[in-house]
Amino acid sequence: DIQMTQSPSSLSASVGDTVTITCRASQSISRNFNWYQQKPGKAPTLLIYAAFSLQSGVSTRFSGSGSGTDFTLTISNLQPEDFATYYCLQTYSTLWTFGQGTKVEIK
Amino acid sequence: QVQLVQSGSELKKPGASVKVSCKASGYTFTNYGINWVRQAPGQGLEWMGWINTNTGNPTYAQGFTGRFVFSLDTSVSTAYLQISRIKTEDTAVYYCARAGGTSLDYWGQGTLVTVSS
Repeated sequence: DIQMTQSPSSLSASVGDTVTITCRASQSISRNFNWYQQKPGKAPTLLIYAAFSLQSGVSTRFSGSGSGTDFTLTISNLQPEDFATYYCLQTYSTLWTFGQGTKVEIK
Repeated sequence: QVQLVQSGSELKKPGASVKVSCKASGYTFTNYGINWVRQAPGQGLEWMGWINTNTGNPTYAQGFTGRFVFSLDTSVSTAYLQISRIKTEDTAVYYCARAGGTSLDYWGQGTLVTVSS
C-alpha cells in the first residue's frame, strides 16, 4: 500500500496568515492527489484535485502544488472559515489512502 | 444538483449486522463509482474501498475484507454498505462519496453507527 505522511498534524495561525501543509507519498503517485477540507460534524469537501486543480467554487486562496512524492497545500490570507482539518488523498494505486490530517486552529 | 443522501444513525449490539444506504440523485448513477470512507470518533478519514456502479465489482481496502460488503440497487440509484458481526471498534461515521475521475467530488452527509452492548 502507498502510505501518505502529512505534516504538521496541527498548526495555529492568525487571520490573514499564509499556511502550508505538506503530504509525502511513500512512492511516486504522479499527480493523482487531492486535498479535502473538513469542518466539525460535516462531511469533507474537495478543494484541490490532480495536485493543483482548484475544484469549482473553491476560493482562490487555496492552491496546490507538487508531483511525484511531495505535495503542498497553501492557504493564503487565512480567513475565519478556513479553520478546519485538511486531508490529502492519493488516488494513484488501486487502493487509495488518506493522510492523517492537519488541524488548522486559531492562534 | 448532485446529491448523496445516506440513511440515518444506527445503534447496534456487538455481533449484529447493519446496512447503510446511500441514495444518489442529480446524475447518471452508473457513470460514477461510489466510495466508502470511515471516520472513527475523533480520528481521521479512512478509505474503505469502492464499488463500480456499472459492473457491481467491489474493491476493499486492507482491513475491510470479510465483514464489509458493498452492494448496489441500480434501479433506485442506491449503494449499500453492510457490516456483519459488528464490533465496538466499528463505531464511526460512515460516508459514501462519488468518484468523479480520481477524486471524491460529492459526499453524503454521513451515517453514525454506534456499537454498544
